Amino acid sequence: QKEVEQNSGPLSVPEGAIASLNCTYSDRGSQSFFWYRQYSGKSPELIMFIYSNGDKEDGRFTAQLNKASQYVSLLIRDSQPSDSATYLCAVKGSSNTGKLIFGQGTTLQVKP
Amino acid sequence: DAGVIQSPRHEVTEMGQEVTLRCKPISGHNSLFWYRQTMMRGLELLIYFNNNVPIDDSGMPEDRFSAKMPNASFSTLKIQPSEPRDSAVYFCASSPTGTASGANVLTFGAGSRLTVL
Repeated sequence: QKEVEQNSGPLSVPEGAIASLNCTYSDRGSQSFFWYRQYSGKSPELIMFIYSNGDKEDGRFTAQLNKASQYVSLLIRDSQPSDSATYLCAVKGSSNTGKLIFGQGTTLQVKP
Repeated sequence: DAGVIQSPRHEVTEMGQEVTLRCKPISGHNSLFWYRQTMMRGLELLIYFNNNVPIDDSGMPEDRFSAKMPNASFSTLKIQPSEPRDSAVYFCASSPTGTASGANVLTFGAGSRLTVL
């Protein structure tokens, strides 16, 4: 079992729709969870992070964390063509280091 | 701040040659990470430094790979000898650590695209 798993996609949604991206992790003691966006040929950039169970909203983005189910998701409301990218889930495990493990990423395509 | 600075941006070399990738982290960030990204394997952590000390190098593929951080503002990743399977994009990232909000948030450099022929 991979430490952080994501569906590679592509996930295709029409412009204006809600895109839902999912991630599961294996280390039950994981503490911090991050979503990064990576455009083709570019480096990953942080969208948001979440530490506590529940929802965290930032503009059109909402991160949802369920530690009991070892599941974290990212919702993108009112999807735009500019949101088309690969979305990487990253998890900081239970160790005291700052080590971040990334999932393979989900490719999102927003069609005009 | 100029962000995390990596060089070179592109490197094409022949099998057997030595490759050195360089990274300057963001000033004040005390953690530095080297990642490798390929289509097949995604983003893999190679090595992680905290306060210039290597903490976890379990991701370094083999002895051909080595990394150093002689001071807080500079790190190198060296591959000697290089092989075609080392072709990838190598990212350096830095982060602050601690308990404050935003700790452990990585900022990535632009990456070094390595092609070994």
